[in-house]
Amino acid sequence: GENVEQHPSTLSVQEGDSAVIKCTYSDSASNYFPWYKQELGKRPQLIIDIRSNVGEKKDQRIAVTLNKTAKHFSLHITETQPEDSAVYFCAASRIPTFGRGTSLIVHP
Amino acid sequence: EAQVTQNPRYLITVTGKKLTVTCSQNMNHEYMSWYRQDPGLGLRQIYYSMNVEVTDKGDVPEGYKVSRKEKRNFPLILESPSPNQTSLYFCASSSGSPHNEQFFGPGTRLTVL
Repeated sequence: GENVEQHPSTLSVQEGDSAVIKCTYSDSASNYFPWYKQELGKRPQLIIDIRSNVGEKKDQRIAVTLNKTAKHFSLHITETQPEDSAVYFCAASRIPTFGRGTSLIVHP
Repeated sequence: EAQVTQNPRYLITVTGKKLTVTCSQNMNHEYMSWYRQDPGLGLRQIYYSMNVEVTDKGDVPEGYKVSRKEKRNFPLILESPSPNQTSLYFCASSSGSPHNEQFFGPGTRLTVL
């Protein structure tokens, strides 16, 4: 089955800095790559996704890049704010397999 | 309001006592799925269903059963719970296929003593 590796497991930044979370996947047939944000005590919610025919997608301060040849994709958050503090999950494959999550801490 | 609901939200039970966690969605979604979330392990898929009467094993199906008799409901059944099934469980649904946004339920915190 699909194997999704996510790094780092914890990321600590100062408010206003950028944050980057990276994921790699193993199944070359994967064609859908969503990112979910889970705030403490709440359910995961989709923040951005990308499909295999697109290399980059942006939505205000967040962006996702995809390199299908290298089988990796990344989440970029610019101008981080304390409310960005949460656990972020990537997913890949035809039946979504999730990475283990990245705990992002944004210090005011 | 479009939503995914789960019941119960919290459950403490004992080893071997059969239980069912219900999941219901009102968005007419075809795809539904169950995940368990454990610290450091992320979201692991237990079972999924592409449509009514169609279910498939995910990555960690042992000790669980599901059924999909109606489009809106996807119950998770633990026939003989064990302590290693203590976890936070999420149900999710998406329209058409798993290649669309998944909407998650609020979660069920299960403790098996």
